[in-house]
Amino acid sequence: KNQVEQSPQSLIILEGKNCTLQCNYTVSPFSNLRWYKQDTGRGPVSLTIMTFSENTKSNGRYTATLDADTKQSSLHITASQLSDSASYICVVRGGGADGLTFGKGTHLIIQP
Amino acid sequence: ETGVTQTPRHLVMGMTNKKSLKCEQHLGHNAMYWYKQSAKKPLELMFVYSLEERVENNSVPSRFSPECPNSSHLFLHLHTLQPEDSALYLCASSQESGTFYEQYFGPGTRLTVT
Repeated sequence: KNQVEQSPQSLIILEGKNCTLQCNYTVSPFSNLRWYKQDTGRGPVSLTIMTFSENTKSNGRYTATLDADTKQSSLHITASQLSDSASYICVVRGGGADGLTFGKGTHLIIQP
Repeated sequence: ETGVTQTPRHLVMGMTNKKSLKCEQHLGHNAMYWYKQSAKKPLELMFVYSLEERVENNSVPSRFSPECPNSSHLFLHLHTLQPEDSALYLCASSQESGTFYEQYFGPGTRLTVT
């Protein structure tokens, strides 16, 4: 069964600190992996998309990594800001008509 | 803004009511989706439309009825809902419904069934 597991479930850090969110998946076959940011009361917005051959991709202060061998991905946030407070969702695209498997998300809170 | 709008943003309805959720995309996409997002659960795909034809229905109860009159508009008609149907309903669109195309999400409709 295709699954995406994210950790931690929730995280609280101080403004300016760095943090890393984890995503482990068992989706097969694998097409690509996306990280979404979802602000409270809003829909998810894509941060990065990574295919099988990509190991690292950055979007400003967000850096995603992918290890297709171990089926793990991480999202690293550098110098966190209050606006980074949100849920971060890992989504893996694999087989099936739509083929998306969603993680439950990590709820990140940045405190001043 | 992502180019996908949803109305209403909030809806409270009784179990005997009939209501509809509306989604409109201004991106020229050919595929549209309805998702349900419940607390502490992953997003659940409900319906997929490609070129106005339904291509997937993930065993959703018949009290949810989708309608896609054209490639820019998507509706979700609701009737005789249950309290467990309370959730955030998200609409999304993509260029095509294939494996690579990115989905753009609307802000969602927060539905409460009393």
